[in-house]
Amino acid sequence: KNQVEQSPQSLIILEGKNCTLQCNYTVSPFSNLRWYKQDTGRGPVSLTIMTFSENTKSNGRYTATLDADTKQSSLHITASQLSDSASYICVVILNYGGSQGNLIFGKGTKLSVKP
Amino acid sequence: NAGVMQNPRHLVRRRGQEARLRCSPMKGHSHVYWYRQLPEEGLKFMVYLQKENIIDESGMPKERFSAEFPKEGPSILRIQQVVRGDSAAYFCASSRAGTSAGELFFGEGSRLTVL
Repeated sequence: KNQVEQSPQSLIILEGKNCTLQCNYTVSPFSNLRWYKQDTGRGPVSLTIMTFSENTKSNGRYTATLDADTKQSSLHITASQLSDSASYICVVILNYGGSQGNLIFGKGTKLSVKP
Repeated sequence: NAGVMQNPRHLVRRRGQEARLRCSPMKGHSHVYWYRQLPEEGLKFMVYLQKENIIDESGMPKERFSAEFPKEGPSILRIQQVVRGDSAAYFCASSRAGTSAGELFFGEGSRLTVL
């Protein structure tokens, strides 16, 4: 069964600290993996897109890694800010030739950054 | 270039009424996706449409739910005879190409409350 599991479910850190969010997936055939940030009451916003051949990709203070062998990805946030408080969603895209309804969403990690 | 526009942002209906949610994709995007998100849950795929065509509706409940994306105008998700279990946030996303290759942009969501 195609699944995306994220951990931890929730996380509280102090402003300025770093943190790492995990994503494990059992999805095949794999096309690419994406991390989204979803602020409370808002729609998800894309942070990174990683293909099978990419190991790491950065977007400002966000760095995503991908190990396609172990089917694991992580999102590292450096020098956290209060505005980083949000849910971070890992999404794995199946490589279908037909149907395009092929995004598998994790439940997200809820990050709270405290002053 | 405006983003994905959804309206209404909030909708309250009584059991048995109809709910219509609208989504205008980003300019130049011909692919539209609808997702449902329950509190503390991940986004669940409902339907994928291109102009005038339903490509994949495997995530849509068999009864009461329908979607369209006419040649002119927004995509519409229609829920007939709503029940309390339909209360959720409904997100629309659009892309220029299919999701395997294309960036997916989300709207801010429509929050349906069924009394």
